[in-house]
Amino acid sequence: EAGVAQSPRYKIIEKRQSVAFWCNPISGHATLYWYQQILGQGPKLLIQFQNNGVVDDSQLPKDRFSAERLKGVDSTLKIQPAKLEDSAVYLCASSADRGNNEQFFGPGTRLTVL
Amino acid sequence: QQQVKQSPQSLIVQKGGISIINCAYENTAFDYFPWYQQFPGKGPALLIAIRPDVSEKKEGRFTISFNKSAKQFSLHIMDSQPGDSATYFCAATDSWGKLQFGAGTQVVVTP
Repeated sequence: EAGVAQSPRYKIIEKRQSVAFWCNPISGHATLYWYQQILGQGPKLLIQFQNNGVVDDSQLPKDRFSAERLKGVDSTLKIQPAKLEDSAVYLCASSADRGNNEQFFGPGTRLTVL
Repeated sequence: QQQVKQSPQSLIVQKGGISIINCAYENTAFDYFPWYQQFPGKGPALLIAIRPDVSEKKEGRFTISFNKSAKQFSLHIMDSQPGDSATYFCAATDSWGKLQFGAGTQVVVTP
């Protein structure tokens, strides 16, 4: 079974630029999550999708972050414009369904904002 | 506001020793408590998990102890090996599946 795929693995941008991350979850998984992991901290949930609908985006900075999951499969997370404090690893995870099912994480995208 | 508090921040243990990581929570709606293991450059991977109706769960060298009344749970790594060197996160979730992670513990196992 293929795992969660993410790209790119690394990205370096200047502040105020825009950036997009892509995630392909495990086939058949209905629930998709985006997390932000700042160095030395635990992952923090940004947004949760159930199929192509948003379940929870309470911690997503909506003035600069956006995410979509068209057709309920792949997802993209965008930051525009980026700030220095957005430097972090962005993790995508998926689970068979929401609730207490195991979440499978991708390798993450390490973003550095200069 | 961190809903799951984890300690210590780091620990060093000799090969064959026991690593103990502690976590505490406040939200009584949490009903699933997983532990994740993360190696550098990788995403977290589920290690072991417990529900509050069980006081202990063991899988191989890894054991979770759970104290519902104290709202605390801990991970014990028995016979620690150099390959166990990683960052460990406790977490908690309610029925909606929103994971709340602790800050992480970096474990180093010396040969």
